[in-house]
Amino acid sequence: NAGVTQTPKFRILKIGQSMTLQCAQDMNHNYMYWYRQDPGMGLKLIYYSVGAGITDKGEVPNGYNVSRSTTEDFPLRLELAAPSQTSVYFCASRTGTGGEYTEAFFGQGTRLTVV
Amino acid sequence: GIQVEQSPPDLILQEGANSTLRCNFSDSVNNLQWFHQNPWGQLINLFYIPSGTKQNGRLSATTVATERYSLLYISSSQTTDSGVYFCAPRPRGFQKLVFGTGTRLLVSP
Repeated sequence: NAGVTQTPKFRILKIGQSMTLQCAQDMNHNYMYWYRQDPGMGLKLIYYSVGAGITDKGEVPNGYNVSRSTTEDFPLRLELAAPSQTSVYFCASRTGTGGEYTEAFFGQGTRLTVV
Repeated sequence: GIQVEQSPPDLILQEGANSTLRCNFSDSVNNLQWFHQNPWGQLINLFYIPSGTKQNGRLSATTVATERYSLLYISSSQTTDSGVYFCAPRPRGFQKLVFGTGTRLLVSP
C-alpha cells in the first residue's frame, strides 16, 4: 500500500514549456486534490475532484488543467509554464461520500522551478 | 472565505521544553487537521480532530469548534520536532482544507 505517489519529485522547466505532474493513489479514495505551496506560505488549493469524471476549481486554478479518468489517477497539467508557477505541488486524497469528511493524506510533493 | 491564523509565527525552543501552538479560524468548520512539515518538505498527518482532545505520545491537540480555535501541545520537545506546523480546517459546506500560514518551530539541542 503506497498511499499517494507523486512523480516527478523535482523538475526544472523553461518558460513556455508544458508538463504534467502525476498523482496516483492506491487507497480507492474518491476525493483527490492538488495544492501548491509557495516559499514560507501555507498550501493553496488549485483543483480538486470528487470522483472519476468530476473536477472543480480551487482558489488558484489559472494556468493549470486537470482530468480524472480513473479513481486512482489525478494528473495536473501546466501549459505555457511561467516563473510564477515555481512552487512545490502537493497531491492529496481522502475517502468519504456526500457531506462526510475524512482524514486527507498527502503525497511527498513535486518541486517545480520555472526559469 | 475563511481566515486561518496561526500563532506564534516562529518559535525557538530548547530541547525538553513544552509549547502550545494556536490556530484561530473565522468561520464554522466541520473538521480540522494538524500537519507537521519536516525539513525535507514532507507533510505528516498529526491529528484529525473535528472537536475534543486527542493525544499521541508527546503531542496532543484540542479543538473547540464553537469558539473557533484549535491548540497543539508539544511536550518534552526534541530536535526532530523542528519544522513547520500547519492547521487546516474544513469550512462548513466545503470539501476542501484551508491551510494557515503555519508556525515555524526550531528545537535546539
